[in-house]
Amino acid sequence: GQQVMQIPQYQHVQEGEDFTTYCNSSTTLSNIQWYKQRPGGHPVFLIQLVKSGEVKKQKRLTFQFGEAKKNSSLHITATQTTDVGTYFCAGPPTYKYIFGTGTRLKVLA
Amino acid sequence: EAGVAQSPRYKIIEKRQSVAFWCNPISGHATLYWYQQILGQGPKLLIQFQNNGVVDDSQLPKDRFSAERLKGVDSTLKIQPAKLEDSAVYLCASSLVSGTGTVSYEQYFGPGTRLTVT
Repeated sequence: GQQVMQIPQYQHVQEGEDFTTYCNSSTTLSNIQWYKQRPGGHPVFLIQLVKSGEVKKQKRLTFQFGEAKKNSSLHITATQTTDVGTYFCAGPPTYKYIFGTGTRLKVLA
Repeated sequence: EAGVAQSPRYKIIEKRQSVAFWCNPISGHATLYWYQQILGQGPKLLIQFQNNGVVDDSQLPKDRFSAERLKGVDSTLKIQPAKLEDSAVYLCASSLVSGTGTVSYEQYFGPGTRLTVT
């Protein structure tokens, strides 16, 4: 079936270091969304990418959608302790969203 | 604006018992989703409603799970009978519409109901 994998599964970084998570789909996605889930919390929408090769920035976060629309990445520059959480990508091959496996980020002060 | 409301927040039941969860989406949101999130995994879509019609329920274990959204607003998800593997957080989310083609809308999630089946 359709799968959306994310790597790495876990990442521990020192505060101030950069962080990147990669999202790979087995099928072409019409668009991709990124969510952040704090420990004990619920997913919160970060951004949506629609166009092939699209790049969007939100302060220290940079999101990219691959040319083939089958992969995406989220890069955080100079991580802070507030970045702690699990980052999920989610994409609809058709209309039904499939969430990725998630990357759990821990930031050490 | 008020967010997505869910109740109860926590529920502990024994296997073979039944349980029901309630969700009230953001006002005006036509699309409502129920997700199951097992610890350490991403949310898995169980059922998606557009107004009071079912758009997708392909991953809903219909022998034990049921869901309804009778008036196109709030929704209930029921499990009967529960199994140990149903222990998870059940998340309700809503969006303006489900979108077509490349157009989608962000999903707003409720706080979830943590179900423990013993």
